[in-house]
Amino acid sequence: EPEVTQTPSHQVTQMGQEVILRCVPISNHLYFYWYRQILGQKVEFLVSFYNNEISEKSEIFDDQFSVERPDGSNFTLKIRSTKLEDSAMYFCASSERASGSYEQYFGPGTRLTVT
Amino acid sequence: GQSLEQPSEVTAVEGAIVQINCTYQTSGFYGLSWYQQHDGGAPTFLSYNALDGLEETGRFSSFLSRSDSYGYLLLQELQMKDSASYFCAVRDQGAGSYQLTFGKGTKLSVIP
Repeated sequence: EPEVTQTPSHQVTQMGQEVILRCVPISNHLYFYWYRQILGQKVEFLVSFYNNEISEKSEIFDDQFSVERPDGSNFTLKIRSTKLEDSAMYFCASSERASGSYEQYFGPGTRLTVT
Repeated sequence: GQSLEQPSEVTAVEGAIVQINCTYQTSGFYGLSWYQQHDGGAPTFLSYNALDGLEETGRFSSFLSRSDSYGYLLLQELQMKDSASYFCAVRDQGAGSYQLTFGKGTKLSVIP
């Protein structure tokens, strides 16, 4: 069964450093998303991406965040200057655009620890 | 503002039936989804309701009442592997939006 993959599984970085989280969505999916989940809290939407551009973003997704689809398979989230409060699990998700089908497939997540 | 309310914890016995409720207050509403998340794992899609009524998928069913801004997830014939967190999530940003707003989750513990 096709699945979303993410690398790395765990990333430790120092405050102020840049990190890039990588995702490979399911190949025939057209919509891509990033969510984050701070330990013990709910999943929060960050951004959605379609047709090579951001379609929606939340208040969390400020100027320090950016997303890119550098080639036909990868989808990346960059955090320019990490803060302690960016420590969280980051999930990538993808979905196909099919009428009535809004299922989002989540990857296993990258645990980001900012020290 | 937007809010989704669901119980923080539920405990049930193996083989039993459990219902996890979700009430929502959102500026728009375009569907209610349910996701399962095991500790340390990724959310996994369980069901989606856009219209009122009951959707059944195996041991799991989901119900929606848009007039009451309420839905529930029903798990039957509980198994130990059903122990996980269950999140309701709404699409509230427009018919063309895929953004999900999640509730805080209900931690289900299934006991022998």
